[in-house]
Amino acid sequence: EVQLVESGGGLVQPGGSLRLACAVSGFSFSNSWMSWVRQAPGKGLEWVGNIKPDGTEKYYVDSVKGRFTMSRDNTKNSLYLQMNSLRAEDTAVYYCAKEGHSSSWYYFDWWGQGTLVIVSS
Amino acid sequence: DIPMTQSPSSLPASVGDRVTLTCRASQSISTYLNWYQQKPGRAPKLLIYAASSLQSGVPSRFSGSGSGTQFTLTISSLQPEDFATYYCQQVFSARSFGQGTKVEI
Repeated sequence: EVQLVESGGGLVQPGGSLRLACAVSGFSFSNSWMSWVRQAPGKGLEWVGNIKPDGTEKYYVDSVKGRFTMSRDNTKNSLYLQMNSLRAEDTAVYYCAKEGHSSSWYYFDWWGQGTLVIVSS
Repeated sequence: DIPMTQSPSSLPASVGDRVTLTCRASQSISTYLNWYQQKPGRAPKLLIYAASSLQSGVPSRFSGSGSGTQFTLTISSLQPEDFATYYCQQVFSARSFGQGTKVEI
């Protein structure tokens, strides 16, 4: 059974830092692109970034570049999102998602349940 | 970044209706387009990938079409469990989502 379980969310002050983790099981993590997606309260989905299976390539949405860093530990089947210089607008539920593919077509076929990050003083 | 625009934002509908949701890309994305369904408090669920391929386990009343900049998701006969918000996603260049279409009673 495929499982993705996020953790690390919580309340943090503006300018603070938080590290999210996503523990996965049930699929070949070391061969999978992984993404983070967030959803502000009552709003739509926003892709945050993704990371190549070996961790050598990472891509981010402009709004988090220079503040957020994705990483992974394939020996622990875990994905991470280090979030620094947090702003109120980063308040959201953060999902990790597995990227499946069929030839060159990628899609997010498995998602975690999400972890809530609240940035507020 | 490739902005995606979905219409309408909200779609009133009834059980049994045939509904069509539209997604437009700001530039051509070939068929690198996915559709997801999200219910309140739940993670999104993949319905359609590569514009028209039905994800395993998804009912056949869902179908997708389009290429280039214009895409549609059609639900042939709306069921009670289909009332949800639907998002398109492009994976041609990085990734981005549309703002969603809420299908409501």
